[in-house]
Amino acid sequence: DAGVTQSPTHLIKTRGQQVTLRCSPKSGHDTVSWYQQALGQGPQFIFQYYEEEERQRGNFPDRFSGHQFPNYSSELNVNALLLGDSALYLCASSFWTADNSPLHFGNGTRLTVT
Amino acid sequence: GDSVTQMEGPVTLSEEAFLTINCTYTATGYPSLFWYVQYPGEGLQLLLKATKADDKGSNKGFEATYRKETTSFHLEKGSVQVSDSAVYFCALSDPTGGYQKVTFGTGTKLQVIP
Repeated sequence: DAGVTQSPTHLIKTRGQQVTLRCSPKSGHDTVSWYQQALGQGPQFIFQYYEEEERQRGNFPDRFSGHQFPNYSSELNVNALLLGDSALYLCASSFWTADNSPLHFGNGTRLTVT
Repeated sequence: GDSVTQMEGPVTLSEEAFLTINCTYTATGYPSLFWYVQYPGEGLQLLLKATKADDKGSNKGFEATYRKETTSFHLEKGSVQVSDSAVYFCALSDPTGGYQKVTFGTGTKLQVIP
């Protein structure tokens, strides 16, 4: 049973560029959430997708956007990269219909912006 | 808004010592509470949870009790092992914000020495 998989594992980009991160949820899960984890900090909620729609959004600018595909996989896009976007980006999957459904996390994508 | 405050680390203990990691929270509604653990090189995984006042979550010898009167959810273990070395995150999900949005603390690094 495959867990949450993310790609790539590491990425180096230059300020102003755009980046796309990818996530495949745990088998059977229908909801994908994205989190940003800065060094030494806890994960911060970016947004969540269910049925190919953004359902909730955290306090992140519009430069951060996403997409969910019919097979429940998801992409996180960040435009006009800033140095402060350097972080570990975590994808988490869960069941939409279950209250308090625990999040299952991938190992993350380490983004470095230079 | 919702927030989680946990004790700063790192916490260094000898094997078989007693562990307490303090966690307090602020929430708009009546949240569910969680402890997640991040082992070196791995993604976050759920350690335990509690969904209502006075509930005790437990797993792998770890315990935490939901204390509504003190808005706390302290993590305890009677006898730690070297394999418990990891970063521990206290977290909450608030029904007023949608259960799927999880707010995390900053994490507490635990190092257990033989």
